[in-house]
This record gives sequence, structure tokens and C-alpha cells, in this order.
Amino acid sequence: QSVLTQPPSASGTPGQRVTISCSGSNSNIGSNFVYWYQHLPGTAPKLLIYNNDQRPSGVPDRVSGSQSGTSASLAISGLRSADEGVYYCAAWDDNLNGPVFGGGTKLTVL
Amino acid sequence: EVQLVQSGAEVKKPGESLRISCKGSGYSFTTYWISWVRQMPGKGLEWMGRIDPLDSYTNYSPSLQGHVTISADKSITTAYLQWSSLKASDTAMYYCARRKYFGSGSYGFDYWGQGTLVTVSS
Repeated sequence: QSVLTQPPSASGTPGQRVTISCSGSNSNIGSNFVYWYQHLPGTAPKLLIYNNDQRPSGVPDRVSGSQSGTSASLAISGLRSADEGVYYCAAWDDNLNGPVFGGGTKLTVL
Repeated sequence: EVQLVQSGAEVKKPGESLRISCKGSGYSFTTYWISWVRQMPGKGLEWMGRIDPLDSYTNYSPSLQGHVTISADKSITTAYLQWSSLKASDTAMYYCARRKYFGSGSYGFDYWGQGTLVTVSS
């Protein structure tokens, strides 16, 4: 059981916008920044969003993140087949004194 | 180019020892902490612990403390994850990741290794 809760799956058609939610608690999302990672098959995980809503260099602006209270969400617009993979949210947890992750959401482009 | 290159897949028996590695290149190895992250079959990611390669200071997840050892050799820019006695429940994919400071007291993982699959079976 992961500390952060994500839906196991999400889907959309090419060009659509899809959102993935991430729910935590006051000890993690409620008091620390949220990160999102993309894990494509056969590759190393990749940082998509840091500090709730910031994109690293090279991540397109069709990817966005937000946070409110103890929840966060990732949005991907203009969906492409190359976006298929698993997406993880993460945040520092004050109780663990380390980062915690969500269980991952498998994104399928129909 | 920053790279974290991990050692290859391992198949071991319960009770055996194992050390897997993560070699960093393309950056100052002692400037960034390295974490190890576990993904058990069908499960999500789980942080195991971290090491400061500069002085080998380590922190472990409470659930794993005592079962694994994280170390580093800065002379060869390599971090290690080690078990003295493997269990079947150690079967998982293991990733190393570089911790970066993103400001406002926030740290995240900006580069990851490709993963090392460890299978423990009798």
C-alpha cells in the first residue's frame, strides 16, 4: 500500500487532455512540494514536474501540475501515443523523513 | 551528459549476499546525494535510503534499516546497495536516483538509473 494514492489507470484519445490525481496527507503533500515522474516501458523514470507545478527544461508546456491542500494533480494535454507509460507522484514525508511515492497510474492512449 | 548506469540483472538464492552498483558520470559525483528506490513486482516505487558520496553519510527508510547497506566509493563515482542475506521478498527492480535541490527547501530526483532487476528464488 503506497503512502500517496493514485488511480491505477487513466486513458484518453490522441489530442485529448487527461488528468491524474494524487492524494496524500498533512505530513507529505499538505506541507511539502509534489513531484511527478514519468516511467516509460524499458526506460529510466524521468522527472516531469517539480515543486508542484514547475517543469524541468525539455518538458513541454502541455504538461502541467497543481497542488491544493493534501492533493495534487498532473495534466497532460494534446495526448500522444508516446505519452503511454506509468506516472508517479512523490513528496517528502515529514514522518518518514524521506520521500514517499504514489502507486503509479498507467496512462493508455486509445 | 549526466548518466547513472546500473549493474546488470542478478538471480540469487535465499541467504546469498549481493551488491549492485550505480556509476555516476557527467557531473560532480560528490555534489549530489544518491538514493535507492525499490519497485516490487506489481507495486509502486518505495524509497529505501540515501547516501552523501562526499562523506558516505547515510539515511535509511525505517522499514529497511538493518536489512540493506548503502555505500559509495567516490574515487570511482559509484554507489552500492548491498544485502548480506537475501530473502525471496527482495525480488524487485532497484533504481538509483540523483537528488537535486530545487529551491525552497525542496529536493527531488532529477536523474535515474536504468534499474537492476534482482530475482531471489530457490
